[in-house]
Amino acid sequence: DAKTTQPTSMDCAEGRAANLPCNHSTISGNEYVYWYRQIHSQGPQYIIHGLKNNETNEMASLIITEDRKSSTLILPHATLRDTAVYYCIVRGNAGNMLTFGGGTRLMVKP
Amino acid sequence: DAGVIQSPRHEVTEMGQEVTLRCKPISGHNSLFWYRQTMMRGLELLIYFNNNVPIDDSGMPEDRFSAKMPNASFSTLKIQPSEPRDSAVYFCASRSRSGSTDTQYFGPGTRLTVL
Repeated sequence: DAKTTQPTSMDCAEGRAANLPCNHSTISGNEYVYWYRQIHSQGPQYIIHGLKNNETNEMASLIITEDRKSSTLILPHATLRDTAVYYCIVRGNAGNMLTFGGGTRLMVKP
Repeated sequence: DAGVIQSPRHEVTEMGQEVTLRCKPISGHNSLFWYRQTMMRGLELLIYFNNNVPIDDSGMPEDRFSAKMPNASFSTLKIQPSEPRDSAVYFCASRSRSGSTDTQYFGPGTRLTVL
């Protein structure tokens, strides 16, 4: 599975959009981009995933560049409860394992 | 659905003792995963099962660790004998593939402290 690169940490003001970037320059054609987050003292939680097209659900939006070498997770109106570590993971749909890197520690501030 | 259930939530034991962690996956899910999380190494996959059969145990650190899944609704991770370096949070996750969605649902974890 392709390796991902994320900033170690980011801050965001409450109520503003949080834009979390992820680089995955070695992604191959059949690999999906998955995002999970882990709130302190809880298990990781699935957020969203995509292949080529931008995706949106009740939690977030996922913007994938045309060349698929990077993506951005957008939390449109961040709240204090969105403070967590966000993991960007790339894997093929036939694969079974999620490989968690260091993630981005997002701090939402009042 | 109650989600993935893990027990105990916290376990404190002494070095050399046997530790058994338990997991009940979400009903209907056919894959189960055991992860370990530490500050130093992050979140690591230990082993996973498909349809109750162990598929990949390459992440299991050594022979002291063993995992079983006797049926679709129960799995155990056992450490015997335990050592202080086994102290970590252990997560269980389950998954059911549906179309293009292939997401894992994690339990709350078991925080293990080996003294």
